[in-house]
Amino acid sequence: DADVTQTPRNRITKTGKRIMLECSQTKGHDRMYWYRQDPGLGLRLIYYSFDVKDINKGEISDGYSVSRQAQAKFSLSLESAIPNQTALYFCATSDSRGVSYEQYFGPGTRLTVT
Amino acid sequence: SQKIEQNSEALNIQEGKTATLTCNYTNYSPAYLQWYRQDPGRGPVFLLLIRENEKEKRKERLKVTFDTTLKQSLFHITASQPADSATYLCAPYSGGYQKVTFGTGTKLQVIP
Repeated sequence: DADVTQTPRNRITKTGKRIMLECSQTKGHDRMYWYRQDPGLGLRLIYYSFDVKDINKGEISDGYSVSRQAQAKFSLSLESAIPNQTALYFCATSDSRGVSYEQYFGPGTRLTVT
Repeated sequence: SQKIEQNSEALNIQEGKTATLTCNYTNYSPAYLQWYRQDPGRGPVFLLLIRENEKEKRKERLKVTFDTTLKQSLFHITASQPADSATYLCAPYSGGYQKVTFGTGTKLQVIP
């Protein structure tokens, strides 16, 4: 089974709808991240959490909110989706005790807002 | 503000040659620099980390250098193969409670 899972994998929604993307991990990592990726813009950090009680805004948090329900779960919400939020969204995890600080990414959620 | 630059143009090389990708950063003094590989539609996969006190790091056919004076890292793939075709991302990192910032990546195409 995959260590970092994301649901749904694909989603088409209409402008103004509320949508939640979910991320779960079995790696036992304390840190979790949400990124979006757009062609030519690379990976941009939306929110990150260094432990269950810690939530931080990334570089593009406007229009998004997150919830860290447990160490293993980190959800991203779009309160009122707009077309320019159409993108590929990735969840990632890392271990603060790791020696290489590597991030493990989920398979991604392709979101289309019409 | 921090800026990370990777060659946005795709790099095309012949199979068997050495590919060299560049990562430059400004307004930044990272203690570590990571390199990731990303295939189309998939999440990035970690390849290597190099520390500021390491000039060079090797892993199989991969070699990474880190020049803190030039604020640059070079990523080399020797004896390149078509399977090495992917986008490669660099990610400087200061450590601790700092977040990792990713470059936009360089797309490598190895031609048989």
